Amino acid sequence: ILNVEQSPQSLHVQEGDSTNFTCSFPSSNFYALHWYRWETAKSPEALFVMTLNGDEKKKGQISATLNTKEGYSYLYIKGSQPEDSATYLCAFLGSNFGNEKLTFGTGTRLTIIP
Amino acid sequence: DGGITQSPKYLFRKEGQNVTLSCEQNLNHDAMYWYRQDPGQGLRLIYYSQIVNDFQKGDIAEGYSVSREKKESFPLTVTSAQKNPTAFYLCASSIEGGYSNQPQHFGDGTRLSIL
Repeated sequence: ILNVEQSPQSLHVQEGDSTNFTCSFPSSNFYALHWYRWETAKSPEALFVMTLNGDEKKKGQISATLNTKEGYSYLYIKGSQPEDSATYLCAFLGSNFGNEKLTFGTGTRLTIIP
Repeated sequence: DGGITQSPKYLFRKEGQNVTLSCEQNLNHDAMYWYRQDPGQGLRLIYYSQIVNDFQKGDIAEGYSVSREKKESFPLTVTSAQKNPTAFYLCASSIEGGYSNQPQHFGDGTRLSIL
């Protein structure tokens, strides 16, 4: 069983502040790392699919970095807005044969305080 | 609008009863997935299908069955053998399965409870 961990479990941030959280995953047999945003009462929405060590991706005020050698990815939110309140999920896709499916972390629940 | 439709939104199961959760997509995606969410746990894969008429067990397939007779449909049956079916069920699809750089697209989910 693959171990994908996210920290912190939950986070409260003042509107306008920046924040970041972590996804840790196995540092061997890496294929891809996914980030999803899951707002309450909605379906999870893909943010990024990252595949290369050192990769950085950006979508609006949200960005992510990837370190496959040490097995972690950071998600950054700059200037948090109330609409950024959601649970952020990461998911690891390994490259070892027979395991071509995503393993999800438990998520970081972000609450933006107006 | 293209997307994934899950129905019903809420479902109640009696003891010993089989129930079927519907998942339909009009995205023309080859791959479809069923996940289960329990409190404090990440999404866990029940079954997945990379192409029509083919599917594989995920990590927690016991007590569940699926079919993939049409590209757009991937229904999940929760059988009476599943002793702890109360959970939130999510269906997803992607352009292709396996080792892919494509993201998954999710439905709104079905919440199943035991009467």
